[in-house]
Amino acid sequence: DVKVTQSSRYLVKRTGEKVFLECVQDMDHENMFWYRQDPGLGLRLIYFSYDVKMKEKGDIPEGYSVSREKKERFSLILESASTNQTSMYLCASSSAGGKQPQHFGDGTRLSIL
Amino acid sequence: GENVEQHPSTLSVQEGDSAVIKCTYSDSASNYFPWYKQELGKRPQLIIDIRSNVGEKKDQRIAVTLNKTAKHFSLHITETQPEDSAVYFCAASKGGSYIPTFGRGTSLIVHP
Repeated sequence: DVKVTQSSRYLVKRTGEKVFLECVQDMDHENMFWYRQDPGLGLRLIYFSYDVKMKEKGDIPEGYSVSREKKERFSLILESASTNQTSMYLCASSSAGGKQPQHFGDGTRLSIL
Repeated sequence: GENVEQHPSTLSVQEGDSAVIKCTYSDSASNYFPWYKQELGKRPQLIIDIRSNVGEKKDQRIAVTLNKTAKHFSLHITETQPEDSAVYFCAASKGGSYIPTFGRGTSLIVHP
């Protein structure tokens, strides 16, 4: 069974801090994703990666960056956290090619004070 | 790009009733349609998916139907139970793309 692990379930940070959210998957998946989930807005794609060191912007990349140095790990970075980045962050992975489902982590509830 | 609309946003039913959630998509090239269930405080999980070469797929009490001509697909849950209460997301993706477009979700509430 695929396991996608996010480093923290809950995180509280202050405005202006640099924040790191970590995600690790154990199924050798090529693709990894970071989503933001807000009530009424569904899942919005922030960034995705289809290979090590490769990254592509999603729908809402502003204020975020990512890093993928190893195949199993995908990090989301908030360069200078702001209160409007308070949200639930979900990591997901999927195998290469189309028509493949995504496997999600449990999410990180991030609060920026 | 692809646009996926999901309705209703909230659905309240009595235990034992059927529930239907509908999604429409805009890109006729889309050919993969997964459904995810997210229970409160938990991760979204795939419950059923359908590919464009079939019109219907069933798995026990859940089924998905696809109408490619009208560009819509639906999730059907029969004999609903309180444990079916969750947020359900539809998604669509096309060709070799591995990036799905999600609907905004439906909150299903099943009253005992």
